[in-house]
Amino acid sequence: AQSVTQLDSHVSVSEGTPVLLRCNYSSSYSPSLFWYVQHPNKGLQLLLKYTSAATLVKGINGFEAEFKKSETSFHLTKPSAHMSDAAEYFCVVSDNSGAGSYQLTFGKGTKLSVIP
Amino acid sequence: EPEVTQTPSHQVTQMGQEVILRCVPISNHLYFYWYRQILGQKVEFLVSFYNNEISEKSEIFDDQFSVERPDGSNFTLKIRSTKLEDSAMYFCASSQREAWGNEQFFGPGTRLTVL
Repeated sequence: AQSVTQLDSHVSVSEGTPVLLRCNYSSSYSPSLFWYVQHPNKGLQLLLKYTSAATLVKGINGFEAEFKKSETSFHLTKPSAHMSDAAEYFCVVSDNSGAGSYQLTFGKGTKLSVIP
Repeated sequence: EPEVTQTPSHQVTQMGQEVILRCVPISNHLYFYWYRQILGQKVEFLVSFYNNEISEKSEIFDDQFSVERPDGSNFTLKIRSTKLEDSAMYFCASSQREAWGNEQFFGPGTRLTVL
């Protein structure tokens, strides 16, 4: 079984300051981990994914995330927030159970607000 | 850039009525999915579909739900007799491969309101 916990439902940062969105996961198998972003009235867009290669993953728009197996975490960071980063962010896990199941399991989401 | 589209963006229906939510996946994708998000809750997996049959479904996907790929482009979710608790945002997704770590591309969603 797999699950995801996003520790903050809402994060507010000032423009130009760092962003940290926290995510912890649980998986019985080697997981794939993703961060998706959703802007208002838009679909879910993939920011980045981890699939057992490098533990530090770089994504689009300057975001990155580090897979820490010992902490079962996959936190999303960005050095400097931009106004356009304001959106809802979802941490997602898919486990490699080998049983042909590739459904995604989502966290509840973190709404990021960026203050000018 | 190719994208998944969904229609309508918002559907309002009376309890007990049938609804069909429509999706056009990315054209060269072979795997199709439906997810839903009840307001304030997590996005939940409903069903995956490949080669004209369901490959996996969740407990939510009971006999009231069905999926179909009626032609080469559309992928539909039908709810036969809607209940109040079916009110949610429904997301369609597609992927090229059903491989571990493969990205699923999501549509903008259809907000279903059951009165």
